[in-house]
Amino acid sequence: GAGVSQSPSNKVTEKGKDVELRCDPISGHTALYWYRQRLGQGLEFLIYFQGNSAPDKSGLPSDRFSAERTGESVSTLTIQRTQQEDSAVYLCASSLIATQGYGYTFGSGTRLTVV
Amino acid sequence: AQSVTQLGSHVSVSEGALVLLRCNYSSSVPPYLFWYVQYPNQGLQLLLKYTSAATLVKGINGFEAEFKKSETSFHLTKPSAHMSDAAEYFCALYGGATNKLIFGTGTLLAVQP
Repeated sequence: GAGVSQSPSNKVTEKGKDVELRCDPISGHTALYWYRQRLGQGLEFLIYFQGNSAPDKSGLPSDRFSAERTGESVSTLTIQRTQQEDSAVYLCASSLIATQGYGYTFGSGTRLTVV
Repeated sequence: AQSVTQLGSHVSVSEGALVLLRCNYSSSVPPYLFWYVQYPNQGLQLLLKYTSAATLVKGINGFEAEFKKSETSFHLTKPSAHMSDAAEYFCALYGGATNKLIFGTGTLLAVQP
């Protein structure tokens, strides 16, 4: 597609429920990133996929968080047993390749509210 | 370790005034640096990037930034602020072997009429 697409744009869920967030990167972009942006804070790296390599999961805050990506296409971020501190905007970005000269193209994010 | 520090979480300027948003970095390897802008309820948009070519980098919407190795800085400037510049601005550093961007905490720019 023309840009990075994320769905849903907004999600309200009850504490303890599981949620699944979707990211559709730009076609041909091999690198895909998930970041979390809490209110009033910067972007917190969660996970990174590069082609068929093992993902870099070093930013996932707990084992309740997981993400998958099939090839160079759609990625899903799953949060199990959601907690109120999970409330944030989850941003997905893609890049042609994961090298230093390429910036990211971001989606508009999914605003997750856990009540 | 690589890190980015943005001085001033909130900056307010008058319309027509100079915009200066500060970014300092720490990196053990030659850095690649970026500025992103985020308008309300939108994703981040790339403003400009430094990738070891010219130290003065020009971006979109009249913004520019200068890479100063001696000061480990990459401050963002615009000569004359417009109301439409009101947004949050993020400085980011490419993290070398980690293959990911490391972001500062952001600066919220307000433009007063």
